Amino acid sequence: DTGVSQDPRHKITKRGQNVTFRCDPISEHNRLYWYRQTLGQGPEFLTYFQNEAQLEKSRLLSDRFSAERPKGSFSTLEIQRTEQGDSAMYLCASSPISGRFSYEQYFGPGTRLTVT
Amino acid sequence: AQSVSQHNHHVILSEAASLELGCNYSYGGTVNLFWYVQYPGQHLQLLLKYFSGDPLVKGIKGFEAEFIKSKFSFNLRKPSVQWSDTAEYFCAVIGGSSNTGKLIFGQGTTLQVKP
Repeated sequence: DTGVSQDPRHKITKRGQNVTFRCDPISEHNRLYWYRQTLGQGPEFLTYFQNEAQLEKSRLLSDRFSAERPKGSFSTLEIQRTEQGDSAMYLCASSPISGRFSYEQYFGPGTRLTVT
Repeated sequence: AQSVSQHNHHVILSEAASLELGCNYSYGGTVNLFWYVQYPGQHLQLLLKYFSGDPLVKGIKGFEAEFIKSKFSFNLRKPSVQWSDTAEYFCAVIGGSSNTGKLIFGQGTTLQVKP
């Protein structure tokens, strides 16, 4: 399967714990995005990487959230000191930076986080 | 700030009925527009997109959408729905001022097709 993959698919954690999610984009896709989706809402943009550079962060991304893409390939999203309001589906997407498919984002299956 | 509105939150149709889902966006400049679909238990998939040119765009599975600039709309249509079209549909926009390509999504429309 050459699509976007995310790990884990589900995560249940207790309030105050730290969690880390991983996203493996489609190979050779320079652009990588993280979104958050809560029940009954559309995905909301969190952050954007072009290769290894984090070029945009949403105001939704509090200080407890950090994301990396160290070698311009996979990315991680860490949430420190989780709160119940962090419960959501975390989606990763990737797209090529040029060509006819640029700006077409391919989404992974998401990581569903439940904070108890 | 840019925003996207989907007016129909939950639509129920019988098979073979025609479908139109509304989408309006707020950005006044050049936009790129998308419809994504999420079938039960599956990830978001691109249905169709508009970048420029013919305002009537055709996508997969018989879907089409019409970009009407004067109305800031990008409504999704299908002449005859099938039970397998049951899914959640999201309209999304990339505003011309964005050089990151981030998507702004509407809140989605749940379509239920009765056999």
